[in-house]
Amino acid sequence: AQSVTQPDIHITVSEGASLELRCNYSYGATPYLFWYVQSPGQGLQLLLKYFSGDTLVQGIKGFEAEFKRSQSSFNLRKPSVHWSDAAEYFCASARNNFNKFYFGSGTKLNVKP
Amino acid sequence: SQTIHQWPATLVQPVGSPLSLECTVEGTSNPNLYWYRQAAGRGLQLLFYSVGIGQISSEVPQNLSASRPQDRQFILSSKKLLLSDSGFYLCAWREAGELFFGEGSRLTVL
Repeated sequence: AQSVTQPDIHITVSEGASLELRCNYSYGATPYLFWYVQSPGQGLQLLLKYFSGDTLVQGIKGFEAEFKRSQSSFNLRKPSVHWSDAAEYFCASARNNFNKFYFGSGTKLNVKP
Repeated sequence: SQTIHQWPATLVQPVGSPLSLECTVEGTSNPNLYWYRQAAGRGLQLLFYSVGIGQISSEVPQNLSASRPQDRQFILSSKKLLLSDSGFYLCAWREAGELFFGEGSRLTVL
């Protein structure tokens, strides 16, 4: 069965510090991978996605993620966090028919001033 | 451009009462539609998805049902709500291999 794991439930970083949010997937073939962000009480917004090709993908708001097949990971990174980045982040995967999308349990990011 | 609407945004219902949450997509035709539930600390759980009118796939057995009476309308229902049905319900549609989400409906069952 396909699944996504986000091992960190909460992360706190200082404003201006770098950020890495972890995501691991389990699926025999290469899945399609996504990162979404959710502000409190809102829907989810896509940050970036990986389908194939270059394993380092750039997204909106200065985020990037790197697909590592050997580690079954798709970690999200940002070199310098802003206070407005405080939100919950979800990693997701889909199979090649895109009928089902599976989400991790989310990581809540707090940003200290 | 495409938009997705969910209503009501907030709902407080007693245990045992019925439920109807509606989702409508505009600006696209024959979309894949999804219902997810987000419970506190538990991420997003896929409840139902639909690839066309009258076609519903259920992911987990539960107290809820879904219907798709029109191409761009997706309805989540229950005949008798349970306390465990409380949560944040998100409707989504798929295009070009990515999901687009509505603003969500927060259901509190008392």
